[in-house]
Amino acid sequence: AQSVTQLGSHVSVSEGALVLLRCNYSSSVPPYLFWYVQYPNQGLQLLLKYTSAATLVKGINGFEAEFKKSETSFHLTKPSAHMSDAAEYFCAVTISSNTGKLIFGQGTTLQVKP
Amino acid sequence: DVKVTQSSRYLVKRTGEKVFLECVQDMDHENMFWYRQDPGLGLRLIYFSYDVKMKEKGDIPEGYSVSREKKERFSLILESASTNQTSMYLCASSLYRSGAREQYFGPGTRLTVT
Repeated sequence: AQSVTQLGSHVSVSEGALVLLRCNYSSSVPPYLFWYVQYPNQGLQLLLKYTSAATLVKGINGFEAEFKKSETSFHLTKPSAHMSDAAEYFCAVTISSNTGKLIFGQGTTLQVKP
Repeated sequence: DVKVTQSSRYLVKRTGEKVFLECVQDMDHENMFWYRQDPGLGLRLIYFSYDVKMKEKGDIPEGYSVSREKKERFSLILESASTNQTSMYLCASSLYRSGAREQYFGPGTRLTVT
């Protein structure tokens, strides 16, 4: 069965600092992986997705993530944090035979300090 | 752009009431999903549907039912609302045949049961 673990329920960075949000997955077959962002009182918005085409995936708002099979990781990074990046971030996994179901991590709240 | 709409952003109901949450998507997606989101627990799948009149239980279906009479509409029903069903409810949709199967989310309904 697939599963996702996000390390750190809260991450705090200063404006301009590197953002690193960690995600590890468990899957016995090649997975599809996603990062979503949720701003307060809103639904989830897709940031980026990994579909095996390239291990380094670029998304919206300057975010990117690298798929590392050997580490079963899909960490999300951004070189320089903006105040507007403060939100909750979710990592999710699915496999091709899973009828479209996503398995979500528990989320990481990113705080950006001025 | 895919648009997923939910009938209410905020809803307050009394214990024992029957509650209907409506979700509509405009992109002819085959899959539709209902999640609830609670702090520290991430997103938990209640029910999903991969076709009209078809439904499958997710991880936490107890106390809920669903209806999908038309492809674009997926309703979540709380037969007899209880205080432990106070939560944020998120609807999502996805293309069945899309390999990456990203889900598109509505803005959410924050339900309070008193």
